This record gives sequence, structure tokens and C-alpha cells, in this order.
Amino acid sequence: DSGVTQTPKHLITATGQRVTLRCSPRSGDLSVYWYQQSLDQGLQFLIQYYNGEERAKGNILERFSAQQFPDLHSELNLSSLELGDSALYFCASSTYRASGRETQYFGPGTRLLVL
Amino acid sequence: DAKTTQPPSMDCAEGRAANLPCNHSTISGNEYVYWYRQIHSQGPQYIIHGLKNNETNEMASLIITEDRKSSTLILPHATLRDTAVYYCIVGSGGSNYKLTFGKGTLLTVNP
Repeated sequence: DSGVTQTPKHLITATGQRVTLRCSPRSGDLSVYWYQQSLDQGLQFLIQYYNGEERAKGNILERFSAQQFPDLHSELNLSSLELGDSALYFCASSTYRASGRETQYFGPGTRLLVL
Repeated sequence: DAKTTQPPSMDCAEGRAANLPCNHSTISGNEYVYWYRQIHSQGPQYIIHGLKNNETNEMASLIITEDRKSSTLILPHATLRDTAVYYCIVGSGGSNYKLTFGKGTLLTVNP
């Protein structure tokens, strides 16, 4: 158990719909990262938040957005869903260390199926 | 970030050491080598990382060559539960470091 929780575990929805994925980081971790894993693209970084502020962006579609709340949990919002958005979505959290060595701890993921 | 090259698959007998190689010839001086693994659609799991010295923890050992262009992850006594995809990732540390995953190596531990 990494200490990172994600809900829901599974999500089935239809094209055109909107869903929200939730992530609770490990206690004390300020950084939250979102990754998408699909069969054809592998594991891809989407976006990072650090203490409530967006810090880095990866291959995140404009239909997707995220935020990190004051209690440090994060939500990933996916809208106008397409069949190709079906994937595993992982959240990871980490704590910055002065030595610069950072370890990311991943949650169990949310499996999204768009029909 | 520097790119890495790993063999797509490897086999190992249970109880034997598993040695997983990784080439990262374009690594720069301030970049670390990280190893993660993913067991069948579970969240990736951190294993170990290092800068230039060899590292060991309760899970594995990391051997980095002197020129830092390659490294080897060693699982000293592989078990069936070590069957997973192993990712070698190179990048700088810091408070905003994203992990760039390649295809990794599928390690299959056989009984």
C-alpha cells in the first residue's frame, strides 16, 4: 500500500460524458502527478500540482483539467469523453527533498471505460 | 531528459538473481537513474534510484557504470511475485519532476 488513494476504482461511461477522478496523496506530500496509461501510448505524464498550484503540464488534452484543493487532494476532470480516452489513470504523490532526490508513490489507479 | 534503452523482455529462474540492464548514454551530470516496476496494471512501484554511486535497499541493488552511460538493476533472489514490467527512467530531481516512462522490460520469473 503506497498510501495514495484513488476513487473510483472503475468507471464506465458513454461518449460525450464528463467524469471526475479523485486522488488523495500520502500524508504530507505536497506534489500530485496524474498519468494516463493506454494500450497504445503506454504510461504518459499529464499534469502536476504542487501545493495547490499547477507546476508542470505534459500531454494533457484541452478536454481534460485538474486541480488541487487546500487539503491537497486532487481531481482530474475529463469531459466530452471519446472512446480513445479509455485507459488507466494513475495519481502519484511525492515530497520534495532538499537533496533533490524525489520518489513518486503511485495510487492503484482508476480504470475508465468509455462506451 | 535523457532517453533509456531496455531489452523488451527477460526471463529468470525463481531464486536466482535477475539482472536488468539499461542504457542511458546521453545522461547529463545532474540526472538520476530511477527504477520503477509495474505488476500487471497496478500502480507503478518505486524500487531504487541513484546518481553515480551504487545503491542498495531492501528490494534491489543498482549498479551504475563509472561513465554513467548504463546501469543494472539487480534483484538478488527473484520470486514469482517479481514478475513485472521494469522501467528505467533518467531525469533530474526536484520539486517538479515528471517521470517519462518508456516501454520497460517485462521480467518473467519462472518456477
